[in-house]
Amino acid sequence: EPEVTQTPSHQVTQMGQEVILRCVPISNHLYFYWYRQILGQKVEFLVSFYNNEISEKSEIFDDQFSVERPDGSNFTLKIRSTKLEDSAMYFCASSDRSRVNNQPQHFGDGTRLSIL
Amino acid sequence: AQKITQTQPGMFVQEKEAVTLDCTYDTSDPSYGLFWYKQPSSGEMIFLIYQGSYDQQNATEGRYSLNFQKARKSANLVISASQLGDSAMYFCAMREGIRNTPLVFGKGTRLSVIA
Repeated sequence: EPEVTQTPSHQVTQMGQEVILRCVPISNHLYFYWYRQILGQKVEFLVSFYNNEISEKSEIFDDQFSVERPDGSNFTLKIRSTKLEDSAMYFCASSDRSRVNNQPQHFGDGTRLSIL
Repeated sequence: AQKITQTQPGMFVQEKEAVTLDCTYDTSDPSYGLFWYKQPSSGEMIFLIYQGSYDQQNATEGRYSLNFQKARKSANLVISASQLGDSAMYFCAMREGIRNTPLVFGKGTRLSVIA
């Protein structure tokens, strides 16, 4: 069964550095998402992406964050000037082209980001 | 106001027994979808089951079923014949509207299955 792939599985970075989290969505999916989960807390939406542009973003997704689809398969989340509070599990998700709301979002296994 | 409320931080169930995990939701949109995800200790998010607001019947997927009570705005997950591998965090989530809008998650319920 096709799956969403995220790399790396764990990223350790010094505070103030930039990180890029990578995702390969399921190949025929057109809607892409990033979520984050701070340890022990609920999953929070960051940004959604469709047709090569951001379709929706949350309050969390400020100028520190950016997303890009550099080629036909990868979807990246860049975090600039990382802070301690950026430490979290970051999930990429994708869903089908259908315009109805019954399509589940398929999640990758996540990247655990640790800021030191 | 919370869009998704899961009132049980933790639940215990005996192996082979059934367990119900509660979820209530809040929306004024007549079109919405409700989802349950499982998160094992390894961290990945696994889609379990979906219920649409216009669905007439409760959703079922193998040992998972959803007790959908629209008037009460509840979408409880029922796991039958619990197995040790069911021990995990379980998240209820909602998508409002008819487009591929983001999911809003509850805080989750940690289920522990006891042998």
